Amino acid sequence: DGGITQSPKYLFRKEGQNVTLSCEQNLNHDAMYWYRQDPGQGLRLIYYSQIVNDFQKGDIAEGYSVSREKKESFPLTVTSAQKNPTAFYLCASSMTGSYNEQFFGPGTRLTVL
Amino acid sequence: RKEVEQDPGPFNVPEGATVAFNCTYSNSASQSFFWYRQDCRKEPKLLMSVYSSGNEDGRFTAQLNRASQYISLLIRDSKLSDSATYLCVVNMLAGYSTLTFGKGTMLLVSP
Repeated sequence: DGGITQSPKYLFRKEGQNVTLSCEQNLNHDAMYWYRQDPGQGLRLIYYSQIVNDFQKGDIAEGYSVSREKKESFPLTVTSAQKNPTAFYLCASSMTGSYNEQFFGPGTRLTVL
Repeated sequence: RKEVEQDPGPFNVPEGATVAFNCTYSNSASQSFFWYRQDCRKEPKLLMSVYSSGNEDGRFTAQLNRASQYISLLIRDSKLSDSATYLCVVNMLAGYSTLTFGKGTMLLVSP
């Protein structure tokens, strides 16, 4: 089955720790994205990548880092510099181009204790 | 002005009712438009793309009004399973594949 997987589903971390969220897709999509969703809020773009070894900051990139070493994978690291990391993190992928819809993974719910 | 604006609701309707949602967007150069559905604590799922000529998929009809910069979604014969949050999504930058999401409109369908 083609799709996007994210792991883990739930993640707890202590303040001051970095944590990496996994995102893998087998849809052969060139573009991948990371969003953050807070309760009652819309999705906000953290980082996106339109091609391997290249990525751009979204609207709220501070305190986050990404890599894109393989087409299938786009991991997100939430660093200790992120002031309010507790949120629902969603990874998405799409074909490149402005007309293409994005498809989402099931998300990772991060809680900082 | 907010980039993509939606009435948060909730819209409470009985089964079988017809309900319509509107969404306005700020960038007149936007090229692509979508409606996504998001269930509680789940990921958004594409409901339908919105084309200039309007499009229909079963009980769902989407329309685009470029002159007034709004998008609509009409749901006919509402089902209990239609209860969800509906996200209006717009490509705000021509030529780029990044999307801007509205905060969503919550629909609650009751028996």
